Amino acid sequence: NAGVTQTPKFRVLKTGQSMTLLCAQDMNHEYMYWYRQDPGMGLRLIHYSVGEGTTAKGEVPDGYNVSRLKKQNFLLGLESAAPSQTSVYFCASSLWTSSSGNTIYFGEGSWLTVV
Amino acid sequence: AQSVSQHNHHVILSEAASLELGCNYSYGGTVNLFWYVQYPGQHLQLLLKYFSGDPLVKGIKGFEAEFIKSKFSFNLRKPSVQWSDTAEYFCAVRKSGGSYIPTFGRGTSLIVHP
Repeated sequence: NAGVTQTPKFRVLKTGQSMTLLCAQDMNHEYMYWYRQDPGMGLRLIHYSVGEGTTAKGEVPDGYNVSRLKKQNFLLGLESAAPSQTSVYFCASSLWTSSSGNTIYFGEGSWLTVV
Repeated sequence: AQSVSQHNHHVILSEAASLELGCNYSYGGTVNLFWYVQYPGQHLQLLLKYFSGDPLVKGIKGFEAEFIKSKFSFNLRKPSVQWSDTAEYFCAVRKSGGSYIPTFGRGTSLIVHP
């Protein structure tokens, strides 16, 4: 049971390049999330998904797109990377049942630098 | 809009000192409350959570938190910290019955000197 797995773990991009971060979870969770973590800003929600085929905007969605074609995967895309998108990105997943209290399980993070 | 405030941004303690990290939220209804910990270079892990029942919640590694509804608070405590507790701590709040998306505080960086 791997939990939440993110790839790649490290990436350096040039301004204007595109890339996709892949998140996979093997816990059959309904909810999946993409967060970015910046110093002094804590965790900010970029996009999330409440089930296969559905996505929704979070707190800071601009410059990012997502897709949830399969329940176990949640992709985060940067179409034209900007230096402001230099950050650590965390994928997470959770069940939706109220009895679980919706504990969120996080991946190990992806460090992205845009130069 | 729901918000979560962690008043202590940086805390520096010596080993064996007592710890209390503050967390306040703005939502007035029923809430689920969480504390997550992020050790250096690692991902966030659940430390403890309050869902219902006893407002004093015990988590892993000797941490506990007390939900005080009248104060909209969920402060994290540990009677005696260790060097290995050096980490960033995040409080999160989810309002019950709403979306299942918790709101995270900005985090508190704890450094424990040996």
